[in-house]
Amino acid sequence: EAGVAQSPRYKIIEKRQSVAFWCNPISGHATLYWYQQILGQGPKLLIQFQNNGVVDDSQLPKDRFSAERLKGVDSTLKIQPAKLEDSAVYLCASSSGLPTMNEQFFGPGTRLTVL
Amino acid sequence: RKEVEQDPGPFNVPEGATVAFNCTYSNSASQSFFWYRQDCRKEPKLLMSVYSSGNEDGRFTAQLNRASQYISLLIRDSKLSDSATYLCVVLSASKIIFGSGTRLSIRP
Repeated sequence: EAGVAQSPRYKIIEKRQSVAFWCNPISGHATLYWYQQILGQGPKLLIQFQNNGVVDDSQLPKDRFSAERLKGVDSTLKIQPAKLEDSAVYLCASSSGLPTMNEQFFGPGTRLTVL
Repeated sequence: RKEVEQDPGPFNVPEGATVAFNCTYSNSASQSFFWYRQDCRKEPKLLMSVYSSGNEDGRFTAQLNRASQYISLLIRDSKLSDSATYLCVVLSASKIIFGSGTRLSIRP
């Protein structure tokens, strides 16, 4: 079974530039998550989709971050404009249902460096 | 107070030792609990869910103490390959909250 795919794996940009990340979840997984993991910290949930609807985006900085999952399959996360503090690994995960007892499968992440 | 707190470690123990770490949570209505393992520069992977009655998977034992609001992970007969960061995850009011992780290093 193919895992969660993410691209790019690495990205270096200057502050105030824009960047987009792509995620393709495990086939058939209805729930998709985007996390931000800053070095030395645990992942912080940015947004959770159930199919193509948003379940939780309470920690998404909506003035600069946006995410979509138009057809209920793959998803993009965008940052516009980027700040220095956005340097982190952006992890995408998927699960077969709501997270109460369902395992989340993570992709390899996109490592973003903002200069 | 953070919603989910873990001792960051690092815990440095010899191979074969038993090691345990806790994770405290602030919301008494939290519903589900998990331990994930994250190797250096890799993605987190589920280690085990934590059930109310406690559960065991080989050398790993997870327990939940609702009265004191913490979960624990016990690793027996530790192996070099157990070296990793262990993240606790709490599902609280439908919010997924990861702890900052406890770093474990097993020495030969």
